[in-house]
Amino acid sequence: QKEVEQDPGPLSVPEGAIVSLNCTYSNSAFQYFMWYRQYSRKGPELLMYTYSSGNKEDGRFTAQVDKSSKYISLFIRDSQPSDSATYLCAMMNSGNTPLVFGKGTRLSVIA
Amino acid sequence: DTGVSQDPRHKITKRGQNVTFRCDPISEHNRLYWYRQTLGQGPEFLTYFQNEAQLEKSRLLSDRFSAERPKGSFSTLEIQRTEQGDSAMYLCASSLGAGINTEAFFGQGTRLTVV
Repeated sequence: QKEVEQDPGPLSVPEGAIVSLNCTYSNSAFQYFMWYRQYSRKGPELLMYTYSSGNKEDGRFTAQVDKSSKYISLFIRDSQPSDSATYLCAMMNSGNTPLVFGKGTRLSVIA
Repeated sequence: DTGVSQDPRHKITKRGQNVTFRCDPISEHNRLYWYRQTLGQGPEFLTYFQNEAQLEKSRLLSDRFSAERPKGSFSTLEIQRTEQGDSAMYLCASSLGAGINTEAFFGQGTRLTVV
């Protein structure tokens, strides 16, 4: 079992839909949780990060972490065609450990 | 451009040849990371530096791979005797220190194709 599991999709939604992206993990030592967005042939860019359990909101994006279930989510409200990209979850034990990424979920938002 | 810069963007090489990639981090970022990403997968950690010191290497980094960061500025990743399995996107990231409040910025990557 990989440390971080993420459904690769692809996921296709109509413009304006609410998108839910999820990851599960097995390492209970993970404390920092991130979501990166990666456009085709580009490097990943950080969207959201959360420490430990809880929710964090930034504009149309909401990140949730449930450490008891080892489950994290990213919600995108009012999705736009420009949101079409691969979304990668990533996590780490502490600030001194490298990030462990999921496979990424490929999202297409159709106008 | 003040972002992380990687060179070249694309590299096609014959099996058995050596290749070297370069990463220029954001100025004053003391941490530099190398990741490898294959099609349909997330980035996998290879190694990282704090200043000029190489602090950690993944088991993915075989003896054919070597990374350097002389003077704690730019970094190079060399692959000797390339194999077809080395074909991937090689990503570099840099951050100012470590921890949750120091975002790691990624470069555009170097896409390696071994034929």
